Amino acid sequence: SQQGEEDPQALSIQEGENATMNCSYKTSINNLQWYRQNSGRGLVHLILIRSNEREKHSGRLRVTLDTSKKSSSLLITASRAADTASYFCATHPGNQGGKLIFGQGTELSVKP
Amino acid sequence: KAGVTQTPRYLIKTRGQQVTLSCSPISGHRSVSWYQQTPGQGLQFLFEYFSETQRNKGNFPGRFSGRQFSNSRSEMNVSTLELGDSALYLCASSTRGDSYGYTFGSGTRLTVV
Repeated sequence: SQQGEEDPQALSIQEGENATMNCSYKTSINNLQWYRQNSGRGLVHLILIRSNEREKHSGRLRVTLDTSKKSSSLLITASRAADTASYFCATHPGNQGGKLIFGQGTELSVKP
Repeated sequence: KAGVTQTPRYLIKTRGQQVTLSCSPISGHRSVSWYQQTPGQGLQFLFEYFSETQRNKGNFPGRFSGRQFSNSRSEMNVSTLELGDSALYLCASSTRGDSYGYTFGSGTRLTVV
């Protein structure tokens, strides 16, 4: 399969704690993106990091990228119950038009 | 600013029938991609259209087809439906489809019985 892997598959934390999700991929990339999905609805774009970037921040989100290890991590700080969702990483190979290759996702549950 | 609109939201079809799903991208977005999401296979790329041309196609049988119109709206068609085609079909649009994040629609939930 071309898809990457995400770790852990499921994560349960208390409100206020930090949540870290990891993503590994197989091919070279142009960029890597993270998306959130609530209960089988559409995906919401969270953040994009380009292959020449190592770290990026957006509000409570911090993304790192290590192209030598073909891995990325998403950190959500001070989590809230509303952060409960599935999180997917998606790689953009760059030589296949706009095609994204998604990981299997991490199911995050934040308990109040 | 209107988001990506997919119609219908839910659909129930019988094996052997065909189905057409519609996607209206964000105004000004010229790239439209389609994905199939199932519990077993996850999110799988179907195809991408840019300015009415199919730019890339995923590893799906020829029963899956699509097209894009001059106003960037897109349709996908699945002929001779099989039980395994039951899935959430997601459409995503982007300004150019490369190096930019995508905006996804809420999806069409297709159930084949």
